[in-house]
Amino acid sequence: GQSLEQPSEVTAVEGAIVQINCTYQTSGFYGLSWYQQHDGGAPTFLSYNALDGLEETGRFSSFLSRSDSYGYLLLQELQMKDSASYFCAVSNQAGTALIFGKGTTLSVSS
Amino acid sequence: KAGVTQTPRYLIKTRGQQVTLSCSPISGHRSVSWYQQTPGQGLQFLFEYFSETQRNKGNFPGRFSGRQFSNSRSEMNVSTLELGDSALYLCASSLLTATDTQYFGPGTRLTVL
Repeated sequence: GQSLEQPSEVTAVEGAIVQINCTYQTSGFYGLSWYQQHDGGAPTFLSYNALDGLEETGRFSSFLSRSDSYGYLLLQELQMKDSASYFCAVSNQAGTALIFGKGTTLSVSS
Repeated sequence: KAGVTQTPRYLIKTRGQQVTLSCSPISGHRSVSWYQQTPGQGLQFLFEYFSETQRNKGNFPGRFSGRQFSNSRSEMNVSTLELGDSALYLCASSLLTATDTQYFGPGTRLTVL
């Protein structure tokens, strides 16, 4: 079968750095994506990794290790507005559907 | 560019009824995917349509069906509703494939009583 594992909850304080891990088991691998969803809102795309290494977009970075079937999302200089659910998603081959993890709820406090 | 729109935003139905949800993708996007989101299960893929054809299908019973029109607008239908069908139904559009960046609509909140 295919599965993705990510922590269900993470808490942090403003200004801190937090890392949300994602491990996956799929029959093939094409890429790892991250989406953010605020309460009551639609998921929005954050980042995508197809190759090993780090991708940086402002305060957010995403890392992938294909040999370890592992990736993470790194959020720096946390702000209250970063409180949301974060989903990792994999595609096992080009053109097929994304398989989403169950999401990690990040709570940022002051 | 206008985003993905979904109608209606909220629906209340009773068991045994059927329901049709609508999704209008971003202009120029040809792939439309549907997801069911529930608190315990996250986002589960229902199906994807491209050029009026179902291209990918998730692991849902046949009560869940969909279609896509020539203008890329899509509908999904759930027949013989069950209590467990209560969920947020999200539609996402992407340029060409379900692997491309997905742009999600606000969802339709379905409650089955």
